Amino acid sequence: DTGVSQNPRHKITKRGQNVTFRCDPISEHNRLYWYRQTLGQGPEFLTYFQNEAQLEKSRLLSDRFSAERPKGSFSTLEIQRTEQGDSAMYLCASSPTTVWLLWGGYTFGSGTRLTVV
Amino acid sequence: AQSVTQLDSQVPVFEEAPVELRCNYSSSVSVYLFWYVQYPNQGLQLLLKYLSGSTLVKGINGFEAEFNKSQTSFHLRKPSVHISDTAEYFCAVSGDAGNMLTFGGGTRLMVKP
Repeated sequence: DTGVSQNPRHKITKRGQNVTFRCDPISEHNRLYWYRQTLGQGPEFLTYFQNEAQLEKSRLLSDRFSAERPKGSFSTLEIQRTEQGDSAMYLCASSPTTVWLLWGGYTFGSGTRLTVV
Repeated sequence: AQSVTQLDSQVPVFEEAPVELRCNYSSSVSVYLFWYVQYPNQGLQLLLKYLSGSTLVKGINGFEAEFNKSQTSFHLRKPSVHISDTAEYFCAVSGDAGNMLTFGGGTRLMVKP
């Protein structure tokens, strides 16, 4: 297993454009999380899925943000009408369900760095 | 609601010296505590965790942390640092729900030769 994979690694887009990121979790993990990290700050929780069900969303996740996890495997995070304030690192993580604490919680991907110009 | 405060944004230290990175948390429920390390342009790697039991926990790369419930702290320590320890370190907490990690702002450890 190659761990949590995120694509693309970097994305530069013009303000107002839509962008989509992909996360492939560890195959046996059925929980998947999205975080956003701005420069010099700690990661902030956005949303998480258990299998294909989106169970929780942060207030940070405005109407321009949408996340999906069809079939409970990979997930996509879409940002519509991007703004300069959306520039950040978007991190994905996955974990098993019943023993996630024993395993140390989340396994993080390397992130997608978004720059909105 | 939980919150995490990492009191030092940057900690410079010479190689082979000891280091302590401070973390304080607030929570209305029982907590699980974590330290993660982030190298440039990489994701987060778990260093160690406190779930229950012994308040002194040992992690990878020679790091350890002590959970102090009365002081609501979970400070990270290493007796002798290496250049390769230069990175950003994040303290995080989750509550009984166990589904969301709340992170501190991070501490940049800078190890100098």
